[in-house]
Amino acid sequence: GAGVSQSPSNKVTEKGKDVELRCDPISGHTALYWYRQSLGQGLEFLIYFQGNSAPDKSGLPSDRFSAERTGGSVSTLTIQRTQQEDSAVYLCASSNSGVARPNQPQHFGDGTRLSIL
Amino acid sequence: AQSVTQLDSQVPVFEEAPVELRCNYSSSVSVYLFWYVQYPNQGLQLLLKYLSGSTLVKGINGFEAEFNKSQTSFHLRKPSVHISDTAEYFCAVGRISGGYNKLIFGAGTRLAVHP
Repeated sequence: GAGVSQSPSNKVTEKGKDVELRCDPISGHTALYWYRQSLGQGLEFLIYFQGNSAPDKSGLPSDRFSAERTGGSVSTLTIQRTQQEDSAVYLCASSNSGVARPNQPQHFGDGTRLSIL
Repeated sequence: AQSVTQLDSQVPVFEEAPVELRCNYSSSVSVYLFWYVQYPNQGLQLLLKYLSGSTLVKGINGFEAEFNKSQTSFHLRKPSVHISDTAEYFCAVGRISGGYNKLIFGAGTRLAVHP
């Protein structure tokens, strides 16, 4: 597709369950980012992938959060044993940034709205 | 450490009036600056960016912003707003870290345009 695609668009689950959120970046974009947007808040950086390099996981809030990026394309953000404070919109972005072009803007998907009951 | 402050959480304005959304940043190194807009139930869309060069940057939808290094500001302006400009606006500062552009976002300003 032309833009960043995220699925599902909405997810409601019970506290304690695991959830997986998917991001399909723009074709050819080597950089992929995950952010969390809580109600009334700005965006909180979670994790960054660049090609085959080790990801920057410095923003993950706890060890219940993990992310993978397979084949340098699709990424999955997994939250284990969900808590009510995990309720938020999770946004994915991609860019064609790299060492040679580090300042390229990020293009965002529409997000996954996660609600923990 | 970098930070971004959006001075107004909400800005109400009448249609066809001018608007300014304020953004200040702190950083000890050269930065890149961005404004994004978020419409309801959508992701963020890039409005404009400052990377280098001219300090007055023009973006989409008639918006522009001016980079002021001495005041560490990057305020967003539009001379005449439309109802359709009602949205959340985010200022972001980026710096090169580990070979990529790491963005720090402000908390956002909700622009409400009234008829």
